[in-house]
Parts: sequence; structure tokens; C-alpha cells
Amino acid sequence: DGGITQSPKYLFRKEGQNVTLSCEQNLNHDAMYWYRQDPGQGLRLIYYSQIVNDFQKGDIAEGYSVSREKKESFPLTVTSAQKNPTAFYLCASSILTGGLNYGYTFGSGTRLTVV
Amino acid sequence: GQQVMQIPQYQHVQEGEDFTTYCNSSTTLSNIQWYKQRPGGHPVFLIQLVKSGEVKKQKRLTFQFGEAKKNSSLHITATQTTDVGTYFCAGYTNAGKSTFGDGTTLTVKP
Repeated sequence: DGGITQSPKYLFRKEGQNVTLSCEQNLNHDAMYWYRQDPGQGLRLIYYSQIVNDFQKGDIAEGYSVSREKKESFPLTVTSAQKNPTAFYLCASSILTGGLNYGYTFGSGTRLTVV
Repeated sequence: GQQVMQIPQYQHVQEGEDFTTYCNSSTTLSNIQWYKQRPGGHPVFLIQLVKSGEVKKQKRLTFQFGEAKKNSSLHITATQTTDVGTYFCAGYTNAGKSTFGDGTTLTVKP
């Protein structure tokens, strides 16, 4: 079945540590996105990529980094510069036609906790 | 930047009652999408509206896009316990990304 796979499902990070969240899709979608969700809040865009080897900052990119070396993969690194990283991280992908997005497919998410 | 406001934040209904959530954008949208997130789950795409004044139905759910393409609503008729979750709108502009509302969390009392 086609879809988006995020791993791990749960992740614990120590203070000052970098961690990388995996996101892989086999939908052949052009665009991929990373969102952060805090309890009781909406989704805030961290980074997005519309094509391989290119990505743009979203609304809350500070303290995060990404790469898009393959169409299928869009890993997110949460660096030690991110002061409050505890959150639910969602990866999504979409088809782009004429520059328009026709709906996101989301992965099941990674819950990151700082210990 | 673009802002998308969604109201109400929470809605508690008795099973069988109707439910509506509203979404308002500070800018004109190319399209608007609606998602449902069950407790502990991830958002799932419900529908996309593109045309001014568009109305679409999915069984008990009715989606509307305003004439000015700056607002939208989702209406559920005769809620059921399976409707529980948080409903998000996402407004898309030609800038290449969507802005999500903060969602409306629906609880249904049997």
C-alpha cells in the first residue's frame, strides 16, 4: 500500500542533543512538508520541499534542518538550538499541479519528548 | 502573513445534534481543504473546495466556500459518536503552502 512512513513513533531527546526524524513516502508525490503540533493547537509549518535538492523555510524553521536528496525521503533534524522541541511532529506529502496543492497525505507522526 | 482563524475552539454536542465550524482567512484563497484528526491520530484529508460559492456534501457533512473565497464552513447533520475529533481547515494560496486553522475539537455525548 502507498503511504507515508514516519519513524520512530516515540523519541526521547536529552538536553543539547540533535535528533533526526525519518519520513519516507512511496506515493510519488512531488512535495513534502514537516509540521509541528503542540497540544490543543493547530499545525505549524517547519519546512517544505517542492522538488529534490530544494526546500524552503516555513513559519517556525529556527532550530530545525532538513534535506531532500531523494524524492521519497525528507528527514527532519531537531537541533540543540531548538529550545522547546517537545511536540508531535507530522510529515506530509502532496501532489502539485500547476503550483497548487491538492490535499496532504500525513504520516502517523513522531512524538518527541525532551528528558 | 496569511492568517486563518477557526471558530469555535471546542464544541460539545449531544448525539443527534448538528455541528458547524467556521474558517476565516485574512487573504483570498486559491482553495481550502478540510481535515479530521481523531484523538491520538493524524490529520486525514476530507475534501477540497476551489470555486467561489462551492458547496460539497459527503453523507452528513456539508462543506461551503464563501463567495469571496476568504471563508468556509463545515456542517455535520445529526452528529454521531464516530464524528468525535478535531476538524481543521487549511487555506492555500499561490505562495506554495497552506496555513492551518487551530481546529475545532468536537465531543459528542451519547
